[in-house]
Amino acid sequence: DSGVTQTPKHLITATGQRVTLRCSPRSGDLSVYWYQQSLDQGLQFLIQYYNGEERAKGNILERFSAQQFPDLHSELNLSSLELGDSALYFCASSGTTGSVPNEQYFGPGTRLTVT
Amino acid sequence: GESVGLHLPTLSVQEGDNSIINCAYSNSASDYFIWYKQESGKGPQFIIDIRSNMDKRQGQRVTVLLNKTVKHLSLQIAATQPGDSAVYFCAENVSFKAAGNKLTFGGGTRVLVKP
Repeated sequence: DSGVTQTPKHLITATGQRVTLRCSPRSGDLSVYWYQQSLDQGLQFLIQYYNGEERAKGNILERFSAQQFPDLHSELNLSSLELGDSALYFCASSGTTGSVPNEQYFGPGTRLTVT
Repeated sequence: GESVGLHLPTLSVQEGDNSIINCAYSNSASDYFIWYKQESGKGPQFIIDIRSNMDKRQGQRVTVLLNKTVKHLSLQIAATQPGDSAVYFCAENVSFKAAGNKLTFGGGTRVLVKP
């Protein structure tokens, strides 16, 4: 158990809909990262938040957005869903401070199926 | 469980033998590298990391080697056990401004341990 929690475990929804994925980082970790894992694209970095602020952005679609709240939990919002958004979505957290990166610990993931 | 990827390179190894998994990375600005293990239906699990100012690091039964000249990373697993069967990913980190960083993952290698 990494200490990172994600809800829900599974989500099935229709095209065009909007969903929210939730992540609670390990106790004390200020950085939260979101990743998408699909069969054809592998693990792709989406976005990073550090203590409530966006710090790095990857291949995140404009239909997707995220935020980190004062209690450090994070939410990833996916809207206007398409079939191709079906994937595993992982959250990771780390105790990165300053400019020194540290290991990221991954949650169990949310499996999103868009029908 | 589900497959992480359908066309991953596979390393078959006899139980008790040593395993070597190789990874080529792309960005000469990468400052930190991590190896992850992912079992079916689970999130990536941290194995070992190495910073760019080192060329070797050892953990329990695992060793990571870094060759910055040819941008190559390897993971050695000693006395491979059935529980080591999983998909292994290397990841390279690029740091941005304070506390901003991005992990880019390799495509993964499936390790199958034969009893």
